Amino acid sequence: AQSVTQLGSHVSVSEGALVLLRCNYSSSVPPYLFWYVQYPNQGLQLLLKYTTGATLVKGINGFEAEFKKSETSFHLTKPSAHMSDAAEYFCAVSDRIDKLIFGTGTRLQVFP
Amino acid sequence: EADIYQTPRYLVIGTGKKITLECSQTMGHDKMYWYQQDPGMELHLIHYSYGVNSTEKGDLSSESTVSRIRTEHFPLTLESARPSHTSQYLCASSEFSGNTIYFGEGSWLTVV
Repeated sequence: AQSVTQLGSHVSVSEGALVLLRCNYSSSVPPYLFWYVQYPNQGLQLLLKYTTGATLVKGINGFEAEFKKSETSFHLTKPSAHMSDAAEYFCAVSDRIDKLIFGTGTRLQVFP
Repeated sequence: EADIYQTPRYLVIGTGKKITLECSQTMGHDKMYWYQQDPGMELHLIHYSYGVNSTEKGDLSSESTVSRIRTEHFPLTLESARPSHTSQYLCASSEFSGNTIYFGEGSWLTVV
């Protein structure tokens, strides 16, 4: 069975500071890994994904994530936070593209 | 990017009423999904479909039903709404051999 753990349900950073959202997964097969962002009262928007190939994945809005098999992690980072980055972020894992298992989400707050 | 439309976006309805949440996508995707998300919680897959006349139950048991008569349309129905059905319902779709699931903006259901 697959699962996702997102460490920290709330993360607060100052504008311009580094954003680090943690995601660890468990999977018995090579996983597909995703990060989605959800703004208030909206659906989920795909930030980035890892399927195969390069382990450092770049996404939209300046976000990137690195797949580390040895650590079973897929942490999301952004060098400099913007106010507009405030949202809920979900990490998801799948052994097949069409069945995602989501983490509980991390709410990012950005302070001026 | 897929275009997925959900209606209604917000619905408040009385206990015992029948409701249908509509979901349509214009990208010709074969696979479609319904996820349920309680406030502040992770998403859970409740239904999915691989194509016309194909419907399967997801990982989370749900009293709702779905149908897939047309490729672009995947409505979800609750025959008799209860307060426990209050939640956000997110529709999604993907290509049959694609590696990304695209989400609609969600339907917020409140049963009073």
